[in-house]
Amino acid sequence: ELKVEQNPLFLSMQEGKNYTIYCNYSTTSDRLYWYRQDPGKSLESLFVLLSNGAVKQEGRLMASLDTKARLSTLHITAAVHDLSATYFCAVDTTGNQFYFGTGTSLTVIP
Amino acid sequence: NAGVTQTPKFQVLKTGQSMTLQCAQDMNHNSMYWYRQDPGMGLRLIYYSASEGTTDKGEVPNGYNVSRLNKREFSLRLESAAPSQTSVYFCASTHGAYEQYFGPGTRLTVT
Repeated sequence: ELKVEQNPLFLSMQEGKNYTIYCNYSTTSDRLYWYRQDPGKSLESLFVLLSNGAVKQEGRLMASLDTKARLSTLHITAAVHDLSATYFCAVDTTGNQFYFGTGTSLTVIP
Repeated sequence: NAGVTQTPKFQVLKTGQSMTLQCAQDMNHNSMYWYRQDPGMGLRLIYYSASEGTTDKGEVPNGYNVSRLNKREFSLRLESAAPSQTSVYFCASTHGAYEQYFGPGTRLTVT
């Protein structure tokens, strides 16, 4: 069974600072997804990474994928309060079974 | 274009009662999924349907059944609810190796 681990699980960071969330997974895959969830809400897709070395950026968020290391990172640049949310990575190995990490709860404080 | 819709939004059941959670998507997606989300455990796949007419078990299928009624609709049934099934249930759909689109969720409490 595929295991997906995220760290940290909880992250409190000051506005304007940079930080990275890590997503490690246990089985070969070249399909990795990042989602955002606001409290009490559904999940919203942020990034789709479909090959080794893929890098995607949107605003203050940048995601990358290293399939050899089985590692994806979500880098936050100059955090703002609006980025406070829970971030999930998910890995798909068969095209139909998605395994999610436990999530990283991010709080950006002034 | 409503995306993925789920009904009901909230439900309280007594132990042993049954219910069906409904999900529909209007994006012409082939694949549909049911997840449950529990605190500290992320999302876990219950069942999925890769195409109309097929269903397969996910990570935590025990206590659930599903029906892919047509390409648009995928329902999840709890035959005899248990307190351990208290959770938030999300339906999702996708087409190929792309991101999943999630419904708003159903918050289920079993007492």
